[in-house]
Amino acid sequence: GAVVSQHPSWVICKSGTSVKIECRSLDFQATTMFWYRQFPKQSLMLMATSNEGSKATYEQGVEKDKFLINHASLTLSTLTVTSAHPEDSSFYICSARKQGDASPLHFGNGTRLTVT
Amino acid sequence: GQNIDQPTEMTATEGAIVQINCTYQTSGFNGLFWYQQHAGEAPTFLSYNVLDGLEEKGRFSSFLSRSKGYSYLLLKELQMKDSASYLCAVSDSNYQLIWGAGTKLIIKP
Repeated sequence: GAVVSQHPSWVICKSGTSVKIECRSLDFQATTMFWYRQFPKQSLMLMATSNEGSKATYEQGVEKDKFLINHASLTLSTLTVTSAHPEDSSFYICSARKQGDASPLHFGNGTRLTVT
Repeated sequence: GQNIDQPTEMTATEGAIVQINCTYQTSGFNGLFWYQQHAGEAPTFLSYNVLDGLEEKGRFSSFLSRSKGYSYLLLKELQMKDSASYLCAVSDSNYQLIWGAGTKLIIKP
């Protein structure tokens, strides 16, 4: 069964608005979660590492003020896309490891964001 | 730099066998993962290799040679539902995952 739950599955919003995506670990605690973005026909791109109780670590080129990450509990991380624009339209996927660093990443079902 | 190479696309016939190769150059090595990703969906975990050799799991097997920086995913008795992208990812010395671009596998009847 699923070990990571992501919500919503899809969202359509108007340009300039903000969208919040939730990622929950089910039946385990995740001190670290990972947020990925994937454009059509391209590979996964790590956006940021979400750390419980501290600031997220952003990859080069990812605007931290635009993509706000909050990891307020051991089972919940949220990604807020602020002032969304059409170029932010993408597939956003969160993931977490159920065990240690060497264990596989388990992915949420992803959120397809369309900004009109 | 760190690099993962895998073919962009492969085509195979239903019922046949296909081997998807992955070569890597990374800063350290803490294991290699294979994921399956159907169109429009998130990746799902298939296999993990950290020691040399073959790991078999049903119709899917994964092989690793650390000295050669090489892995392959072997899919047997192909079914139409196996049509998907297959992603190779290597965990480097910091346990950061380095992702390949994925191999799109097309299964023909």
